[in-house]
Amino acid sequence: GQQVMQIPQYQHVQEGEDFTTYCNSSTTLSNIQWYKQRPGGHPVFLIQLVKSGEVKKQKRLTFQFGEAKKNSSLHITATQTTDVGTYFCAKNYGGSQGNLIFGKGTKLSVKP
Amino acid sequence: DAGVIQSPRHEVTEMGQEVTLRCKLISGHNSLFWYRQTMMRGLELLIYFNNNVPIDDSGMPEDRFSAKMPNASFSTLKIQPSEPRDSAVYFCASSTGTSGFFGPGTRLTVL
Repeated sequence: GQQVMQIPQYQHVQEGEDFTTYCNSSTTLSNIQWYKQRPGGHPVFLIQLVKSGEVKKQKRLTFQFGEAKKNSSLHITATQTTDVGTYFCAKNYGGSQGNLIFGKGTKLSVKP
Repeated sequence: DAGVIQSPRHEVTEMGQEVTLRCKLISGHNSLFWYRQTMMRGLELLIYFNNNVPIDDSGMPEDRFSAKMPNASFSTLKIQPSEPRDSAVYFCASSTGTSGFFGPGTRLTVL
């Protein structure tokens, strides 16, 4: 179907450990977006990846777009308690005007 | 810019009642999405508008749900009659095409 698959569903880490979530699509993506939702909050846009093999960094967060534009990853180095939340990837579906279909998300918990 | 505004923030109603959720978009954004979020089903896209026109409503659960966008800055999602299984957090989001901006959501509880 049109879904993007995200793994893992849950991840529990000790503060200071790294964390990675993966997003996979059966079809080639025009772009991929990443969002973070804090507990009790709403999804907040983090970044959009467009180019094949693209790598972008935001402080301790590293985002990658696969060469085939069918997968993406978000890696957090040395997690902190402020990283707690659910991380979603979202794909455009239906053209450049941006119909956003979200993965199920990866819920990250960080133990201090 | 105040961002995407949703009202009410919380709604508790009884089964069978009509519920109307409201959303005010960010000025200049031409796409509007309504999502429903539950623990079991995650973040589901209900309907998507572009330039006030509904483009994809395949996610709308059934005829009890309807959405309108009477102008470029405002949208409503109506549930009539409501049922307990409609209990969820409903988000609207607007987009420039390169990023989505979510409202704070409406937490709906149908008793």
